[in-house]
Amino acid sequence: AQSVTQLGSHVSVSEGALVLLRCNYSSSVPPYLFWYVQYPNQGLQLLLKYTSAATLVKGINGFEAEFKKSETSFHLTKPSAHMSDAAEYFCAVSVSGGSNYKLTFGKGTLLTVNP
Amino acid sequence: GAGVSQSPSNKVTEKGKDVELRCDPISGHTALYWYRQSLGQGLEFLIYFQGNSAPDKSGLPSDRFSAERTGGSVSTLTIQRTQQEDSAVYLCASSLMRMNEQFFGPGTRLTVL
Repeated sequence: AQSVTQLGSHVSVSEGALVLLRCNYSSSVPPYLFWYVQYPNQGLQLLLKYTSAATLVKGINGFEAEFKKSETSFHLTKPSAHMSDAAEYFCAVSVSGGSNYKLTFGKGTLLTVNP
Repeated sequence: GAGVSQSPSNKVTEKGKDVELRCDPISGHTALYWYRQSLGQGLEFLIYFQGNSAPDKSGLPSDRFSAERTGGSVSTLTIQRTQQEDSAVYLCASSLMRMNEQFFGPGTRLTVL
């Protein structure tokens, strides 16, 4: 079975600073990896996904993530935080094969951006 | 176009009552998913529908939970004899096909008193 660990339930950065949200996964087969963002009282929105093509994945709103198989990581970064980035971020994994539609989510990281 | 919609947005019920939560997926999406988001457990997969295939119910936490999808479109999640631990946000998502991007609705916040 696959699992996801997000280090840090709450990350606080200053506006303009680097954003780094950490995600480590566990999977016995090649994974598909996703980052979702959730704004208050809204559903989840896909930021980016890795599906075994390029290891550096670029998403919306200036976010990107790098798949590192040796470290079983898929950390999310953005060079310069904006106030509008304040939200909760979820890393998720699914596996290739029969149940590849089933997403397993991390616990989430709440990002606060300070002026 | 319209996204995934869910109703009601909030539901408060008494312990022991039955509730029905509705999901309208994006038109043309063949796959539909239900997830539960709670403070203690995070986001959990509940059930998956794909076209006319038998649904994957492996995530339903107990036999008090059931779901159906009528005509390959609207889905209803039913919780019978609600318990306080059922309090959570229930999220619905749809995708064009299996393994395409899942688009999420805003959720139904269920509170069981």
